[in-house]
Amino acid sequence: SQQGEEDPQALSIQEGENATMNCSYKTSINNLQWYRQNSGRGLVHLILIRSNEREKHSGRLRVTLDTSKKSSSLLITASRAADTASYFCAAPSNSGGSNYKLTFGKGTLLTVNP
Amino acid sequence: GEEVAQTPKHLVRGEGQKAKLYCAPIKGHSYVFWYQQVLKNEFKFLISFQNENVFDETGMPKERFSAKCLPNSPCSLEIQATKLEDSAVYFCASSRAFYNEQFFGPGTRLTVL
Repeated sequence: SQQGEEDPQALSIQEGENATMNCSYKTSINNLQWYRQNSGRGLVHLILIRSNEREKHSGRLRVTLDTSKKSSSLLITASRAADTASYFCAAPSNSGGSNYKLTFGKGTLLTVNP
Repeated sequence: GEEVAQTPKHLVRGEGQKAKLYCAPIKGHSYVFWYQQVLKNEFKFLISFQNENVFDETGMPKERFSAKCLPNSPCSLEIQATKLEDSAVYFCASSRAFYNEQFFGPGTRLTVL
């Protein structure tokens, strides 16, 4: 079953604008992670937020986590053309009482137009 | 190494042939994960290892897929008798601990004709 589900599926903005992507998940989590995938490449880890954290920053990235709503958001400020990629949220899914694997959503395709 | 390495980059097989993919995790990482990505869509978890031991294989179609992580060797994912629907990019990832961030390799694109 899908643990992370991103919204929107696709987002197109102009360079310099902010981009916000949302993620909802189903079960309780230890942490939630955001990854980026450039076309034809592997996933790059962006940021990990633990279940006892509400907000985390890394450069132009800001992630929030609301465990009561089982949702997270990723904000990219002052976007650049190089930010064009698919963004995935992923959360450990519980299997047999332990968090053995990450379950990914289908991703948000972000296009930043120059 | 400092990056997850995967070989080969591309693999083409006729239906029914065997395919073997390799992954060298980052040195010092105890956990290895294999994922399948079809048509740039979601990542399907296949199997994970803690060192050479299978940690979670709930995603593996066991009748044709097998995987190993032996000491001092790259990990491998093998598909016996490939089918058209096995065409996908197979990603390997490693992490220091199972709840940590995972570091992904560049993937192996398998095309089954």
